[in-house]
Amino acid sequence: DADVTQTPRNRITKTGKRIMLECSQTKGHDRMYWYRQDPGLGLRLIYYSFDVKDINKGEISDGYSVSRQAQAKFSLSLESAIPNQTALYFCATSVLAEETQYFGPGTRLLVL
Amino acid sequence: KNEVEQSPQNLTAQEGEFITINCSYSVGISALHWLQQHPGGGIVSLFMLSSGKKKHGRLIATINIQEKHSSLHITASHPRDSAVYICALLQGAQKLVFGQGTRLTINP
Repeated sequence: DADVTQTPRNRITKTGKRIMLECSQTKGHDRMYWYRQDPGLGLRLIYYSFDVKDINKGEISDGYSVSRQAQAKFSLSLESAIPNQTALYFCATSVLAEETQYFGPGTRLLVL
Repeated sequence: KNEVEQSPQNLTAQEGEFITINCSYSVGISALHWLQQHPGGGIVSLFMLSSGKKKHGRLIATINIQEKHSSLHITASHPRDSAVYICALLQGAQKLVFGQGTRLTINP
């Protein structure tokens, strides 16, 4: 079984809809991250969390919110989806920031 | 100006060739990561470097902190090495800044 899982893997939604992307990990890592990837651009950090009580905004947090329900779970929400949020979303985990980050398989989101 | 630049953006080579992908950056960093993104989209971390050189199988990564430059080399390249290779800078305690990636295609 994969150590970092993301659900759903693919999602099509309409403008204005609320959508949640979920990330779960079995690695026991404290640190979790949400990134988005757009064609021609590098991965960009949306939010990160160093433990259950710690949530931090990343480079592009506007239009997104997160919830760290437990050490193993970190969810990303789009309260009112818009077409320019169409992207590939990745969750990642790490033990310490300078150590390896382990990525989930990605969620492909299309907002119509 | 981007903080991290990779070159080339695209690289096509024949099986067996020696491959070099470059990453130049303009900011102070605490470490540099090389990642591999498979055609299906999955991302795997290859190396994390803060100085010198690391080797894993046919992959070698080097970094020159003074020149703000890192290279990823692949020896005896194989079609299964075809992927996007991404350089990412670690700034401070947690922020990763990613390059745009180098798309590598190895033909049989």
